[in-house]
Amino acid sequence: TQLLEQSPQFLSIQEGENLTVYCNSSSVFSSLQWYRQEPGEGPVLLVTVVTGGEVKKLKRLTFQFGDARKDSSLHITAAQPGDTGLYLCAGVSNAGNMLTFGGGTRLMVKP
Amino acid sequence: DTEVTQTPKHLVMGMTNKKSLKCEQHMGHRAMYWYKQKAKKPPELMFVYSYEKLSINESVPSRFSPECPNSSLLNLHLHALQPEDSALYLCASSQETGSNQPQHFGDGTRLSIL
Repeated sequence: TQLLEQSPQFLSIQEGENLTVYCNSSSVFSSLQWYRQEPGEGPVLLVTVVTGGEVKKLKRLTFQFGDARKDSSLHITAAQPGDTGLYLCAGVSNAGNMLTFGGGTRLMVKP
Repeated sequence: DTEVTQTPKHLVMGMTNKKSLKCEQHMGHRAMYWYKQKAKKPPELMFVYSYEKLSINESVPSRFSPECPNSSLLNLHLHALQPEDSALYLCASSQETGSNQPQHFGDGTRLSIL
């Protein structure tokens, strides 16, 4: 079974601060996806990273896939209250499209 | 608005009831999934359908019975559930299994078992 450790579990910061969420595994994934989930809704895909060492930017969000494709990070610059939510990383196994979710990071950005 | 539609949004049922959760997508996706998500936890995979055939059952109890009547619809039939089955049930779809394609999630059905 492939496991993904996500940290931190909870993060409460002030508007304008920067933060990084980490996703680590001892297993290699063919790709890694990041989702954001708001209360009462399903997860919404933010990005998929596929190549080891890949960096993708989505406005103030920067996603990185580790060289060995075992870990990933999400960095948010100048966080805003609208960034509040549950952030989930999910690894895609080499065998198929089965997602293994990390435990999630619950982010609260206070104005 | 999500492109995967789940009904009902909320469901309260007794342990002896029989009910069904419904999921619909019109994106032409051939893979559909059921997940269970407990409060403050990540989604856990229950079932995977590929081209309308059940391809993965993650050791889910038989009181949960999935059905895929056609490529756009996915049902989850519920019978004799337990209080610990109370959770958010999420449906997702993707173009196919076996690739890095993203999964599109519905907003879920919040199920409460009395």
